[in-house]
Amino acid sequence: DQQVKQNSPSLSVQEGRISILNCDYTNSMFDYFLWYKKYPAEGPTFLISISSIKDKNEDGRFTVFLNKSAKHLSLHIVPSQPGDSAVYFCAASRVWLTGGGNKLTFGTGTQLKVEL
Amino acid sequence: DAGITQSPRHKVTETGTPVTLRCHQTENHRYMYWYRQDPGHGLRLIHYSYGVKDTDKGEVSDGYSVSRSKTEDFLLTLESATSSQTSVYFCAISESYSGGRNTGELFFGEGSRLTVL
Repeated sequence: DQQVKQNSPSLSVQEGRISILNCDYTNSMFDYFLWYKKYPAEGPTFLISISSIKDKNEDGRFTVFLNKSAKHLSLHIVPSQPGDSAVYFCAASRVWLTGGGNKLTFGTGTQLKVEL
Repeated sequence: DAGITQSPRHKVTETGTPVTLRCHQTENHRYMYWYRQDPGHGLRLIHYSYGVKDTDKGEVSDGYSVSRSKTEDFLLTLESATSSQTSVYFCAISESYSGGRNTGELFFGEGSRLTVL
């Protein structure tokens, strides 16, 4: 049972335009959400996170939106750059339950391709 | 970059043989994790550790065991490898989530690609 879902396996956008990656979750107990980026043959790298007490978090070109009632989060990248081409994973956790550790549940990933 | 080293980075083995993957960190982080990445499944948690000799199961722990005898090392063992364990394995580390300065994110190693023939 996939608790975190990324229904779009791939997304293609033009350089300079907005990239919107979507993620849905089913477990209402999740209270912390993250986005990771992964290049081939490398480990995932942290991009941005959001706590369930917020509905938006921004860091430079990256903004994450959280809609708790819809159990939906999205990552906006503006403007998109060719170097953003990678697989993006959303992840969720119940961080307080684990006493400080963070057992992340990941989605299946979306391959973003930013074209010139 | 977080100081995480995984070894070996690539391994090919035969069904039924034991395999041990090693994760070594230089960050002195309390928490360590083993994930596997497979197409169509994303990353799935195998086991994690919340201190020396303190470990617990993740969502796909069958067929795997772990040990942590030192803060810096977390070993993943496949007692008898099967073809279904062909995957890319990632080690990760994290500090305690404080809700303040650190965001509790996991830092990942570069991965170990295991092929079981």
